[in-house]
Amino acid sequence: SAVISQKPSRDICQRGTSLTIQCQVDSQVTMMFWYRQQPGQSLTLIATANQGSEATYESGFVIDKFPISRPNLTFSTLTVSNMSPEDSSIYLCSVGGDSEQYFGPGTRLTVT
Amino acid sequence: KNQVEQSPQSLIILEGKNCTLQCNYTVSPFSNLRWYKQDTGRGPVSLTIMTFSENTKSNGRYTATLDADTKQSSLHITASQLSDSASYICVVDDGTASKLTFGTGTRLQVTL
Repeated sequence: SAVISQKPSRDICQRGTSLTIQCQVDSQVTMMFWYRQQPGQSLTLIATANQGSEATYESGFVIDKFPISRPNLTFSTLTVSNMSPEDSSIYLCSVGGDSEQYFGPGTRLTVT
Repeated sequence: KNQVEQSPQSLIILEGKNCTLQCNYTVSPFSNLRWYKQDTGRGPVSLTIMTFSENTKSNGRYTATLDADTKQSSLHITASQLSDSASYICVVDDGTASKLTFGTGTRLQVTL
């Protein structure tokens, strides 16, 4: 299993600002995933972050809006840039392999 | 387009009662189907994972079934407890680079 922590757990931000979310895993993992969960919606994959290479973004998500860092095998950050109220959501970090996936507790972001 | 649909959207039951949650999917190819429990303010936690050849799997009071022919799954909760109050999310893995399709979840509330 993997234990994942995220910081901050929640934040309220003003429109136009940026927020960086940190994800720490208690073991080394190859792939880390960033998800968004909008109110009442299912989880949507934003991007996959591999150490030593650029993140792979899903359709509808771009690096300028959601830059990701992956400096080592236990840590990653997701930045939500130039925020608007539509970015209000829960952002979840996840790690996993072929048959199991573990999720962090999430970061609840509210943009006013 | 891969889709996972869950029903009901929400459910209220009395403590001690049983309930069954439904999941229909149109995901191809199919690798495995997972049920997750997501407490409010927490990340999803895995309950069961079933591959194509498995048609039932239990985890304590949780029993999942899978009919790969009709592409349906159910999660049965026996003798519900207040702590079962959560969202239950059905997730299908198509086996390609950890690409998961999430349902929108069933919100279960267990009351006294």
